[in-house]
Amino acid sequence: GAGVSQSPRYKVAKRGQDVALRCDPISGHVSLFWYQQALGQGPEFLTYFQNEAQLDKSGLPSDRFFAERPEGSVSTLKIQRTQQEDSAVYLCASSRTSGGGIETQYFGPGTRLLVL
Amino acid sequence: KQEVTQIPAALSVPEGENLVLNCSFTDSAIYNLQWFRQDPGKGLTSLLLIQSSQREQTSGRLNASLDKSSGRSTLYIAASQPGDSATYLCAVRPRDYKLSFGAGTTVTVRA
Repeated sequence: GAGVSQSPRYKVAKRGQDVALRCDPISGHVSLFWYQQALGQGPEFLTYFQNEAQLDKSGLPSDRFFAERPEGSVSTLKIQRTQQEDSAVYLCASSRTSGGGIETQYFGPGTRLLVL
Repeated sequence: KQEVTQIPAALSVPEGENLVLNCSFTDSAIYNLQWFRQDPGKGLTSLLLIQSSQREQTSGRLNASLDKSSGRSTLYIAASQPGDSATYLCAVRPRDYKLSFGAGTTVTVRA
């Protein structure tokens, strides 16, 4: 079956522009996660959804970052007034149930954002 | 805050050699530990997941051990192949859903 997909795969933005990154999780997966991966680093947690509810946004680096999942499936991560330090790979992951237990998170290919 | 460290940062070996990748973490109160593989331009693929009550997990040529009390895990890859070239990430999971990742070990297997 289809895995987690993300679009666009690459995005170049000028400093100050707004960007929107899309994640299509595995169909039926309840939990959805966003991570930010800077060059040469491991992914860092940004936010977590259970269905349409955003239960944790503690990892969002500033109020310029906003995420939504209005119908409990597709999610969008929006970054307003992009800065150079926002350049990173943004990874989306989904898991079947509520994020607890032994199940794994399935990752998408990521969106590579470059802010000039 | 949980800190996860992976050593070495990069590793280059000839084909056929065994690989040993190390991961250490500062807080032993974890739920499980996972090893992931990341290929350039692609997402993360889960390789092995070890529950906190387990000592090791095996899948084919891969074996991962966990010593929770000392905050260490080791991933062994037997008889390495060029197709094993990738970045390997270790992630620990506390009692919630947030994974804490190391920076990874980039492996090159020379044919």
